Amino acid sequence: GQQLNQSPQSMFIQEGEDVSMNCTSSSIFNTWLWYKQDPGEGPVLLIALYKAGELTSNGRLTAQFGITRKDSFLNISASIPSDVGIYFCAGQRRDMRFGAGTRLTVKP
Amino acid sequence: GAGVSQSPRYKVAKRGQDVALRCDPISGHVSLFWYQQALGQGPEFLTYFQNEAQLDKSGLPSDRFFAERPEGSVSTLKIQRTQQEDSAVYLCASSLGRQSQGHEKLFFGSGTQLSVL
Repeated sequence: GQQLNQSPQSMFIQEGEDVSMNCTSSSIFNTWLWYKQDPGEGPVLLIALYKAGELTSNGRLTAQFGITRKDSFLNISASIPSDVGIYFCAGQRRDMRFGAGTRLTVKP
Repeated sequence: GAGVSQSPRYKVAKRGQDVALRCDPISGHVSLFWYQQALGQGPEFLTYFQNEAQLDKSGLPSDRFFAERPEGSVSTLKIQRTQQEDSAVYLCASSLGRQSQGHEKLFFGSGTQLSVL
């Protein structure tokens, strides 16, 4: 089963709002990653974090690798309709374990 | 090709049939993973190859599941005597280097959606 606890499960927001989602685990990971998955496609990498405490941005996306190496968050600022999709956190040692996903709906 | 390619895109099987799912990783990628994604869930790890060696198969749900990568490139996931609970999307991913420390980025294919009737 899933080893990562991702929340919230779903979010319904207005266009222009900021979004925050997070992921926690009982296990330590060497790398935290955030993926977005559109219907009928595989997950696409958004941000990768390699060091505890690291804060990384990619456009309107910002993610942080928790100090304990057991958690991470993803923020999306000024959401737009194309942000709709399912966002997955993933923790990586040798293999990669995924959270159950956050389904984001953006209302224009 | 430019990305990870999986075939078939969709597969419908009758319960009890055997199926074979193919993955063409990005050329030159050493590591290859198979994941199973049930509806509404995140991908769940099945197995990992480093070149032709299957280094981890701890996620395979039963002995009906078998994966191979004989020449260290294309991989096949075979499911024997399919059951309804095998219905899911099967994702393949590859990365350039060895996954010794987990610092390699994984690139995913679009998956094979398997429906067992």
